[in-house]
Amino acid sequence: ETGVTQTPRHLVMGMTNKKSLKCEQHLGHNAMYWYKQSAKKPLELMFVYNFKEQTENNSVPSRFSPECPNSSHLFLHLHTLQPEDSALYLCASSQELAGGPTDTQYFGPGTRLTVL
Amino acid sequence: GQNIDQPTEMTATEGAIVQINCTYQTSGFNGLFWYQQHAGEAPTFLSYNVLDGLEEKGRFSSFLSRSKGYSYLLLKELQMKDSASYLCAVTDSNYQLIWGAGTKLIIKP
Repeated sequence: ETGVTQTPRHLVMGMTNKKSLKCEQHLGHNAMYWYKQSAKKPLELMFVYNFKEQTENNSVPSRFSPECPNSSHLFLHLHTLQPEDSALYLCASSQELAGGPTDTQYFGPGTRLTVL
Repeated sequence: GQNIDQPTEMTATEGAIVQINCTYQTSGFNGLFWYQQHAGEAPTFLSYNVLDGLEEKGRFSSFLSRSKGYSYLLLKELQMKDSASYLCAVTDSNYQLIWGAGTKLIIKP
């Protein structure tokens, strides 16, 4: 395995379902991120973890719940989502959290989420 | 507020040169990134600028002027595989990465 992997690649769920997105990085990085990408809009940063500790929560609704059990794995637990939550959810990692080219982020392929 | 501006879409011809501009207004500046994103795929890192001037990497070059809050990505000898979205992102004074909405580049034969 190389880089950043995400599963599942596609997910369709109803508003009452509970599901989880998984991200794994094989780069030895210390920081991991969840982003939401909607059509023709900038990437929206949702959560940031540095050395397994959450450092950022950009006013994300509580129906999104992140979990970072170790520096290599990141989960996004989803429950009672709304149709407007349909988007591409991207995971990324970087060597460091701040400053210089070492905070270059490497992205996974994303999970295309559709909420019915 | 913080803002990154890029053209929404551009069209160019195979073999030609295209310049994609990015202007930014952010609280501080700690570097500017360009990423490429093919449809349905992950963004991939292209370049990083923190000092004024031109950084060249093969067919791609990126320029930065901090005093003007301006960058461009220059793509030479365009190939069909260069059809993608190009994302500009700036690290602000709090080391938050602020993203533009991306420029969709269409290459025609």
